[in-house]
Amino acid sequence: GAGVSQTPSNKVTEKGKYVELRCDPISGHTALYWYRQSLGQGPEFLIYFQGTGAADDSGLPNDRFFAVRPEGSVSTLKIQRTERGDSAVYLCASITSGKQGHEQYFGPGTRLTVT
Amino acid sequence: GENVEQHPSTLSVQEGDSAVIKCTYSDSASNYFPWYKQELGKGPQLIIDIRSNVGEKKDQRIAVTLNKTAKHFSLHITETQPEDSAVYFCAHLNSGYSTLTFGKGTMLLVSP
Repeated sequence: GAGVSQTPSNKVTEKGKYVELRCDPISGHTALYWYRQSLGQGPEFLIYFQGTGAADDSGLPNDRFFAVRPEGSVSTLKIQRTERGDSAVYLCASITSGKQGHEQYFGPGTRLTVT
Repeated sequence: GENVEQHPSTLSVQEGDSAVIKCTYSDSASNYFPWYKQELGKGPQLIIDIRSNVGEKKDQRIAVTLNKTAKHFSLHITETQPEDSAVYFCAHLNSGYSTLTFGKGTMLLVSP
């Protein structure tokens, strides 16, 4: 079956602009995670959804970042007034409920470059 | 907060040699420890994981060991092959059992 998909694969935007990054999780997976990965670093947690609601958004760096998952499937990460420091790869992962442990399946990521 | 230290940051080996990557963590309540492999331009891929009720787990050329008393766990790759070249990340599940904290990664280079 299809894995986690993310669009666009690359996004270049100017400082101050608004961007939206999309994640399509594996069908049937109820939990969805967003991470940010800077060059030479491991993924850093931003927010996760259980169904439609954000169960934990403690990793969002500030109020310019927001994410939604209105129907419990596709999620959109929104960044307002982008800054050069927002440049990174944004990763999405999903997990099916009921599984033992915490086996997250990652998408390929969206590389965001803010100029 | 939770913290994961991963060493070494880079590791170069000859094809056929073994490679070992080590991680230490601080959250004593952690009970799930996965390892991910990330190739250039791709997302991380789960390669093996271990839960705190076991001390070692093996899957073909890959093994993971866990020492909960010392709060460290290690990835062992035997008979390395050039296609094992990638960045490897350790992680652990936080005590709230909802999110993973990742190490900074180890770039493994396997020379033919």
